[in-house]
Parts: sequence; structure tokens; C-alpha cells
Amino acid sequence: RKEVEQDPGPFNVPEGATVAFNCTYSNSASQSFFWYRQDCRKEPKLLMSVYSSGNEDGRFTAQLNRASQYISLLIRDSKLSDSATYLCVVKGGGYQKVTFGTGTKLQVIP
Amino acid sequence: NAGVTQTPKFQVLKTGQSMTLQCAQDMNHNSMYWYRQDPGMGLRLIYYSASEGTTDKGEVPNGYNVSRLNKREFSLRLESAAPSQTSVYFCASSANTVTQGQPQHFGDGTRLSIL
Repeated sequence: RKEVEQDPGPFNVPEGATVAFNCTYSNSASQSFFWYRQDCRKEPKLLMSVYSSGNEDGRFTAQLNRASQYISLLIRDSKLSDSATYLCVVKGGGYQKVTFGTGTKLQVIP
Repeated sequence: NAGVTQTPKFQVLKTGQSMTLQCAQDMNHNSMYWYRQDPGMGLRLIYYSASEGTTDKGEVPNGYNVSRLNKREFSLRLESAAPSQTSVYFCASSANTVTQGQPQHFGDGTRLSIL
């Protein structure tokens, strides 16, 4: 089993739709969780950290479920500009090992 | 602020050639990282430096060396390039590695092709 697993997609959704991605992780000792966004041929950029209590930033909501070892990202009212690959990042263990998922591709369609 | 700056942005090498990828950050971060990104593989850590004066191997260190020149700069060297090292290389930095789950900030990448 991969340390961090994501559905690669693509998720093709119409503008205005709500879409959710999940990411599962295998190391129960993981301590920090993030969602990054990566546009085609660009560097990953931090979208948001994921806290145990859940957190929201505008149209984006992130949740952590430690019992089931997954994190989620919910995007409401999708915009064309949300089209990108979303990377799940899990940090913990060893040298505070940082593990990236392979990403979920989102395509928002007009 | 420039954030994390990588040079060069593109490079083509022949098998067996050597080169050094440069990375500098102006955020006064303690920790710096080198990753490679290949299709379907996600980002894989090559080497990291938790603080000035220290470097450690990541997941895929073979064929690479690094130097943490000072707090700002962290270079990656390919001593004898191989086609398997064709990839996009990202440098990143974070305030620290251990506490508080500090996120990483990335440079805009170096696209390296080995012929």
C-alpha cells in the first residue's frame, strides 16, 4: 500500500459544482497535513493546512479523519481557475518525513 | 520577495556530463529540500537539509550530491548524468522540519533532460 494515496482523476465538473477529493495515508503517526495545488508545468503551491478540527478558507474546506486515516478537500462553487492538480501532503515520522500524493486532477468545464 | 529561486530553469545534458542545480531562498528558512517529479510518481525527496551545516538522504539519493553552502543556498549536483535522471527538479524550503508542521515553499523548478 502506498504511504499516501489519491485518486488521480481527472474529475471533470461544471462551473458552480461542488467537488470533493479524498486522500488516504498509511502512517498513523503522521502529524501534519496539507493540500497543495499544482498548475500544469508549475511548482506546487500551498493551498491550505489541514487541522484536526477542520478548516475553511473561502470556498475550500479541509477535513482530517484520524480514525480512518484520510483527509479531504471540498471545493464549492467551482471556478474555471480551480482547474489544477491537487496534491495531498502528509508529514510525520523519521526526519519528519514529508510524503506527497501523486495528485488528483480537476478540470472545471464552462 | 523572490521566495525560492532555482537556476537554471531548463537544461539538456549528455549522458555522463555533470552539472549543479542552484537554489536560494530569502525567507530565512532553516530547512531546504530537493525533490524530483516524474509522471505518475509524485514528488520524491532526493536530499534535505534540516539546518545550515547538515544534509541527509531522502527517498531517492543515488546519483546525486548536495551542498548546503549557507543558510540561503542549497545546491544539487549530478556527477555523471544518466537518462533516468531526466525529470523536473524542485527545490523547497520551510521554517523548520520538526515542529509545527511548517509547510514548504517551492521554487519554480528545473526541467532537466539527459540524452
